[in-house]
Amino acid sequence: QSALTQPASVSGSPGQSITISCTGTSSDVGGYNYVSWYQQHPGKAPKLMIYDVSNRPSGVSNRFSGSKSGNTASLTISGLQAEDEADYYCSSYTSSSAWVFGGGTKLTVL
Amino acid sequence: QVQLVESGGGLVKPGGSLRLSCAASGFTFSDYYMSWIRQAPGKGLEWVSYISSSGSTIYYADSVKGRFTISRDNAKNSLYLQMNSLRAEDTAVYYCARWVYPDVLLGGMDVWGQGTTVTVSS
Repeated sequence: QSALTQPASVSGSPGQSITISCTGTSSDVGGYNYVSWYQQHPGKAPKLMIYDVSNRPSGVSNRFSGSKSGNTASLTISGLQAEDEADYYCSSYTSSSAWVFGGGTKLTVL
Repeated sequence: QVQLVESGGGLVKPGGSLRLSCAASGFTFSDYYMSWIRQAPGKGLEWVSYISSSGSTIYYADSVKGRFTISRDNAKNSLYLQMNSLRAEDTAVYYCARWVYPDVLLGGMDVWGQGTTVTVSS
């Protein structure tokens, strides 16, 4: 199962909005509404930020939102804050009854 | 509180074996699918294996199939990963994680352990 495609890096200034894309195929992202997003700070375990494309777990800021169009899912962070600087990974259910991660995106807050 | 704690990592020679454990607390362990995910140094996340709440459904990534065995003991609230025929490319931090919905492998993984480091080197 090939990894989902994410940009290696994105950046934004405090207060701005950024969007991270996650591109797959009709066998994963495009075929199911089961896309999740994880935030990982250096040396820490990943944290679930979005599941089922657009649902936020309890305690996650509403500045984080998810969406999907065709084979591409997106994570949008509005009102960018310094603490949002981290690596972000998407993940999708696949037709093989497995899950696959994206390669990860490093978010830099300028 | 809801918690996962991994143990069992260490330094092992190529071809060797290691058994990782993940102790769960604060939730009904037997209700949830569980997974192992790994992260090689400086690299991204890689899903390794999952096991259903009862242990009857198991899946492995191609990279570990035939070498790794996932299991669980619901009476002990514990998840395991037996790793045999280890290779240098298995060097990584290994995380255990819980799936967000009881009894289904959907949604996402909402509870993660702190990770345990496995180094395969001669």
